Amino acid sequence: DVKVTQSSRYLVKRTGEKVFLECVQDMDHENMFWYRQDPGLGLRLIYFSYDVKMKEKGDIPEGYSVSREKKERFSLILESASTNQTSMYLCASSGVRYEQYFGPGTRLTVT
Amino acid sequence: GEDVEQSLFLSVREGDSSVINCTYTDSSSTYLYWYKQEPGAGLQLLTYIFSNMDMKQDQRLTVLLNKKDKHLSLRIADTQTGDSAIYFCAEMTGGGNKLTFGTGTQLKVEL
Repeated sequence: DVKVTQSSRYLVKRTGEKVFLECVQDMDHENMFWYRQDPGLGLRLIYFSYDVKMKEKGDIPEGYSVSREKKERFSLILESASTNQTSMYLCASSGVRYEQYFGPGTRLTVT
Repeated sequence: GEDVEQSLFLSVREGDSSVINCTYTDSSSTYLYWYKQEPGAGLQLLTYIFSNMDMKQDQRLTVLLNKKDKHLSLRIADTQTGDSAIYFCAEMTGGGNKLTFGTGTQLKVEL
């Protein structure tokens, strides 16, 4: 079974803090993704990566950056957290039929 | 543009069949997918269908694809309370680098 893990289930940070969200997959997938999910707005793609050190902006990259130093690990970075970044963050990796496998999510609250 | 639409809510009685509908706009999608999300969790891949198929059955799940109308449906037979969740359809876009998700259908199963 594909396993995608995320570093935290719940996180509370203060405005202005730097926040790291980490995602690890164990299936040697090349593509990895970061989404945020908000009520009424569905899933929105922040960034994705199709190889180590390669990244592409998704639909809402502003205020975020990413890092992919190893194939199995994809990190989302909030350089200076703001309250409008309070959300559920979901990481995924994709398989041979482009199906995406999701982690359990990190619920981030910025106060 | 690429838009995937679903109705927001569906309520069924335990033991009945549920049918969740989805319309998509990208006729070049090679794969279409159904995901399930339980409260506070990530998305779980339920099934997928290749675009040259009309139907796919997997235990209690039946997927129907009408390419002419760009309509996808998920039928859950003998719906149980454990099926209560949000169901998302998704289509492959961007050459497989991305999935576009629907808005999600909240399925409520009543006793």
